[in-house]
Amino acid sequence: QSVLTQPPSVSAAPGQKVTISCSGSSSNIVNNYVSWYQQLPGTAPKLLIYENNKRPSGVPDRFSGSKSGTSATLGITGLQTGDEADYYCGTWDGSLSAGVFGGGTKLTVL
Amino acid sequence: EVQLLESGGGLVQPGGSLRLSCAASGFTFSSFGMTWVRKPPEKGLEWVSSITARDDSTFYADSVKGRFTISRDSSKDTLHLQMNSLRADDTAIYYCAKGLIGAAGLADWGQGTLVTVSS
Repeated sequence: QSVLTQPPSVSAAPGQKVTISCSGSSSNIVNNYVSWYQQLPGTAPKLLIYENNKRPSGVPDRFSGSKSGTSATLGITGLQTGDEADYYCGTWDGSLSAGVFGGGTKLTVL
Repeated sequence: EVQLLESGGGLVQPGGSLRLSCAASGFTFSSFGMTWVRKPPEKGLEWVSSITARDDSTFYADSVKGRFTISRDSSKDTLHLQMNSLRADDTAIYYCAKGLIGAAGLADWGQGTLVTVSS
């Protein structure tokens, strides 16, 4: 069981918007930056969002991140079939002195 | 362009050892924390270990503490993961990544190396 809780799956139609939640606690999300990763089948993960809401160069502005209290959210607008992937949130847990990931969310674009 | 190239994976028997390496290029290796992440088959990502740039402080997941050792050789721009007392549940693709997860995130990743622990 992961320290960070994500929904196992989400789905939406092309062109629509979807949000993926990441729930944690005061020992992780509250006091540390959250990052989000996209893993397409058979490939290495890719950083989508860092420091809660910043996008690396090259990541489309269709992807956004936010954080409030013990939760973080990844938003994806204008869904494309190429967005079908597993998405993970991650942060540091001060109580564990360890990095932690959410269990991952599989996005299906119907 | 940042490049991270892992090597050293393979098939090993339970109780055996492996040493993974990650050759880094395209950035000032000594200035960045580095991280190992693994993905077991049919499971999600698991943070394994990190090493800081400032003072080479090391951190480990409970599942590998006491068995795995992370290190860096800044003269060769290479990150290592020494894995001892390997178990079947260590079977995974192991990725090295540039950065620390709680700071600016894991900005760049290698392609991964497969470790299979089986008799």
